[in-house]
Amino acid sequence: EPEVTQTPSHQVTQMGQEVILRCVPISNHLYFYWYRQILGQKVEFLVSFYNNEISEKSEIFDDQFSVERPDGSNFTLKIRSTKLEDSAMYFCAHRDRGPLNTGELFFGEGSRLTVL
Amino acid sequence: AQSVTQLGSHVSVSEGALVLLRCNYSSSVPPYLFWYVQYPNQGLQLLLKYTSAATLVKGINGFEAEFKKSETSFHLTKPSAHMSDAAEYFCAVSRGGNTGKLIFGQGTTLQVKP
Repeated sequence: EPEVTQTPSHQVTQMGQEVILRCVPISNHLYFYWYRQILGQKVEFLVSFYNNEISEKSEIFDDQFSVERPDGSNFTLKIRSTKLEDSAMYFCAHRDRGPLNTGELFFGEGSRLTVL
Repeated sequence: AQSVTQLGSHVSVSEGALVLLRCNYSSSVPPYLFWYVQYPNQGLQLLLKYTSAATLVKGINGFEAEFKKSETSFHLTKPSAHMSDAAEYFCAVSRGGNTGKLIFGQGTTLQVKP
């Protein structure tokens, strides 16, 4: 089964600080996603990324968020100035097929962000 | 637009009893449907998926789900619950293709009592 490695597994930060969450998927996969799950709530789509650009983003993904794949392997989510409400589990996901894709995503184990 | 509704945020069953987790979807296009499981402090693991082939889909760990277009449902079942089945279960829908975005339901926590 495909594996996705996410780091850090848990990060505690002060409000207003910048946070970078990293994801290392299988190298030949082309489509990447970030989701988040606030404690006790459902898993929410943040952003999808293909061919080094954002293909879709949700209302949650405001100017405080950014994504990039700087070196062709790591896929990062940056939160520029964290807020208390950013505390959540952040999941990276990916898939490897284009138009024939059936929508199945492979998820990492998540990075838990705690903003104090 | 697509959406998923899971009826019942918490379901409790006895070990050995039938598990039934309900999911209804809304989609303007033929959907792809999924059930994911999340064990405590772990990520999301695919249980099974419906991709327009057989309407009765079998997944891992003895789970199965039936796609019923007339009822817009994709309920998850398991004939006999095991203690290790205790987890959070998420139903999800996708339109596939280039977007591939999954839309998740609210989740159902399954508790299995001895």
